[in-house]
Amino acid sequence: SQTIHQWPATLVQPVGSPLSLECTVEGTSNPNLYWYRQAAGRGLQLLFYSVGIGQISSEVPQNLSASRPQDRQFILSSKKLLLSDSGFYLCAWTWDLGEQFFGPGTRLTVL
Amino acid sequence: SQQGEEDPQALSIQEGENATMNCSYKTSINNLQWYRQNSGRGLVHLILIRSNEREKHSGRLRVTLDTSKKSSSLLITASRAADTASYFCATDTGTASKLTFGTGTRLQVTL
Repeated sequence: SQTIHQWPATLVQPVGSPLSLECTVEGTSNPNLYWYRQAAGRGLQLLFYSVGIGQISSEVPQNLSASRPQDRQFILSSKKLLLSDSGFYLCAWTWDLGEQFFGPGTRLTVL
Repeated sequence: SQQGEEDPQALSIQEGENATMNCSYKTSINNLQWYRQNSGRGLVHLILIRSNEREKHSGRLRVTLDTSKKSSSLLITASRAADTASYFCATDTGTASKLTFGTGTRLQVTL
């Protein structure tokens, strides 16, 4: 069966510090991968998606970047965090049926 | 941007009652999906309805889709306290299975 992991679960970082969130998927190959951000009490906003290794598409201009160094690994990064980067970050994958499977999320607080 | 708008934003019912949530969207879609999110957790896929389908059932869930009105509804029958969660609709326009999420309905089921 397929599983998706995200870490860390929670993170408190100062403004201006770097960020690296990791997402890995097990039990499938060549999935589409997605990074979403959810502000408090709101819906999800798609940040990045990837259809293959090294292929990254950005949906919104922002202070973040994404990379896919391996087939089942998706990384969200920032060189310098802003207060507005706080939120709940969710990674998801899909194969070919359309439904997406979400990881447990990382709650990021930038102080 | 949020394509889907859910209505109502919040819903409080008693156990055993039915809960109905509505979703409206703006552009043509490939499919529409409903997800559930327990507080502070990742999203769980509930049901997917394709653009050529009008109604779909899964256990106590019933989803309808009206593409002429660009709207969908989710009915949960015989609700239980464990159904307490936020429910989101998400539309897939077919490009890389990207999803655009609505703002969500917070459902509270009381004993």
